[in-house]
Amino acid sequence: GENVEQHPSTLSVQEGDSAVIKCTYSDSASNYFPWYKQELGKGPQLIIDIRSNVGEKKDQRIAVTLNKTAKHFSLHITETQPEDSAVYFCAASYGSSNTGKLIFGQGTTLQVKP
Amino acid sequence: KAGVTQTPRYLIKTRGQQVTLSCSPISGHRSVSWYQQTPGQGLQFLFEYFSETQRNKGNFPGRFSGRQFSNSRSEMNVSTLELGDSALYLCASSLDTGPYGYTFGSGTRLTVV
Repeated sequence: GENVEQHPSTLSVQEGDSAVIKCTYSDSASNYFPWYKQELGKGPQLIIDIRSNVGEKKDQRIAVTLNKTAKHFSLHITETQPEDSAVYFCAASYGSSNTGKLIFGQGTTLQVKP
Repeated sequence: KAGVTQTPRYLIKTRGQQVTLSCSPISGHRSVSWYQQTPGQGLQFLFEYFSETQRNKGNFPGRFSGRQFSNSRSEMNVSTLELGDSALYLCASSLDTGPYGYTFGSGTRLTVV
């Protein structure tokens, strides 16, 4: 079935702390796992993505890890800043590679307190 | 470079009416996908167009339709509007077919009264 579970739904951290958001997907054929950040009044913005043949990917303060066996993937944000406050969505591809779609998690509202 | 442009930004329509939303992708992007975002259901896939052909369709009633033009611009249409169609409609473009590297527009906020 098509399902992506995302936890937690809300996350509050102090500036400078790390934040971790976890997702679980159901389709073992999923091969693409992006993360999006959505600020108020804007569309989702791609911040990092990972393919199924890679276990970890890092871009400055952001990293994503993937465990294909467990069907888990996670977003790690280090040294959080107030501008990191937003809603974060994980997603997993579903369907064939050239006609597929994304199934999104329900979102995590991250609040970074100064 | 210019991002994905969606027009209009806001719309208020009455039940039973129809509406057309427009999306201009990033220059050079040939794939356009549409998603509906609501507080209850989250982000849900509507359809994908590539080279003027619908490549994939989500689980929405036939009242939801779309098309893509030769310049890759896309429109989606919702006929016989229902209150439950109130949502943020997001368009995403990418270079090729498939859900890779989407760039989303800011969306069209549709309110049905």
